[in-house]
Amino acid sequence: EVQLVQSGAEVKKPGESLKISCTASGYTFTTYWLAWVRQTPGKGLEWMGIIYPGDSGTRYNPSFEGQVTISADKSISTAYLQWSSLEASDTAIYYCARRRMTGTTGDFHYHMDVWGKGTAVTVSS
Amino acid sequence: IQMTQSPSSLSASVGDRVTITCRASQTISNYLNWYQQKPGKAPKLLIYAASTLQGGVPSRFSGSGTGTVFTLTINSLQPDDLATYYCQQSYNVQVAFGGGTKVEIK
Repeated sequence: EVQLVQSGAEVKKPGESLKISCTASGYTFTTYWLAWVRQTPGKGLEWMGIIYPGDSGTRYNPSFEGQVTISADKSISTAYLQWSSLEASDTAIYYCARRRMTGTTGDFHYHMDVWGKGTAVTVSS
Repeated sequence: IQMTQSPSSLSASVGDRVTITCRASQTISNYLNWYQQKPGKAPKLLIYAASTLQGGVPSRFSGSGTGTVFTLTINSLQPDDLATYYCQQSYNVQVAFGGGTKVEIK
């Protein structure tokens, strides 16, 4: 069974660092892009960025670039999302999701077909 | 690319036909996906490429549209369909979601 298992909920103070994880199983980790998605009550779902674990290539949403770092360790099929200095506005649920590609050359379609259960991050003094 | 959904919420009875609309700020061909998010759960892929049903999704769900206007239809609404539905464009790398449509059962 294809699964993405995310690390547990976190409660942090402003200014603290944090690294949350997403561990894949049931498929070849290095051959699918993996995305991170933020969900907040006010802004809904926001795509933060994506990583290709095969070569650790990344793409970021400009709104999140420089604010977070996406990385992966293919030896343990795990992707990470990290902050060096959290802010209260980082309070949200964070999902990882596998990006699947279908279609033919020149007409590829991408969609997120497997999702983790989410990691709730609370940042409060 | 901005994605706008309407309505933001709706209430319908079991057995009703429900239609949700998603509009893109520029043409995206059929690079449009739909997700269902039940309360307290992660989003789940329903439809990709505007009209292709993901495996295991009930056939009462269908999608249509191309260009800038897309629809998700639920034929014969069921109690299990209580959820928020999101559209998402995959036309470019900068993925964007619509604001969501909350479906409630009368």
